[in-house]
Amino acid sequence: DAGVIQSPRHEVTEMGQEVTLRCKPISGHNSLFWYRQTMMRGLELLIYFNNNVPIDDSGMPEDRFSAKMPNASFSTLKIQPSEPRDSAVYFCASSLSGTDYEKLFFGSGTQLSVL
Amino acid sequence: DAKTTQPTSMDCAEGRAANLPCNHSTISGNEYVYWYRQIHSQGPQYIIHGLKNNETNEMASLIITEDRKSSTLILPHATLRDTAVYYCIVTVFPGLRGNKLVFGAGTILRVKS
Repeated sequence: DAGVIQSPRHEVTEMGQEVTLRCKPISGHNSLFWYRQTMMRGLELLIYFNNNVPIDDSGMPEDRFSAKMPNASFSTLKIQPSEPRDSAVYFCASSLSGTDYEKLFFGSGTQLSVL
Repeated sequence: DAKTTQPTSMDCAEGRAANLPCNHSTISGNEYVYWYRQIHSQGPQYIIHGLKNNETNEMASLIITEDRKSSTLILPHATLRDTAVYYCIVTVFPGLRGNKLVFGAGTILRVKS
């Protein structure tokens, strides 16, 4: 199993530009999570989906952020327009919900730098 | 979800057992204790979880006190590769709609040779 795959690994962009981060969860998993990590705020949950439906987006910082999951094997996190304070590592994770052994598997992350 | 308290950092000698404590005095009956770790520049990795009984797997052991107000993660023979941030998380039983994990600051474990 390839694990959770995120792309790109690194993204450098200028303030005001649109940024799209991509995630492919582990096949068969039915929950997907987007986290953001910074030195100041640690790991923050932005949004999570179950069976492709957004369940909790209370962590999405503002309207500039949006996430979609059009099918079970793909999700995107979009920032438009991007700002320097969005610079962080963005992690995607997936899990198989509904079992006693639910655990999250994380991708390698996308390092985003907004200049 | 119940709040957890962990020491900011700990040191451990290579080859010795690393015992990482976690306080969760407000835990409720349907909440599990999860442990994850994050090695530098990688995504967090699941270690172990439990409800009230002690648990052991190939990575670690989890000891939960009888009143469930605290727990200890034990790495029996720490190696340099175990140097990481260790997160203790308390959360309700995972349901069919998934369950979000809220990460705190964690404990920085430094294994030294």
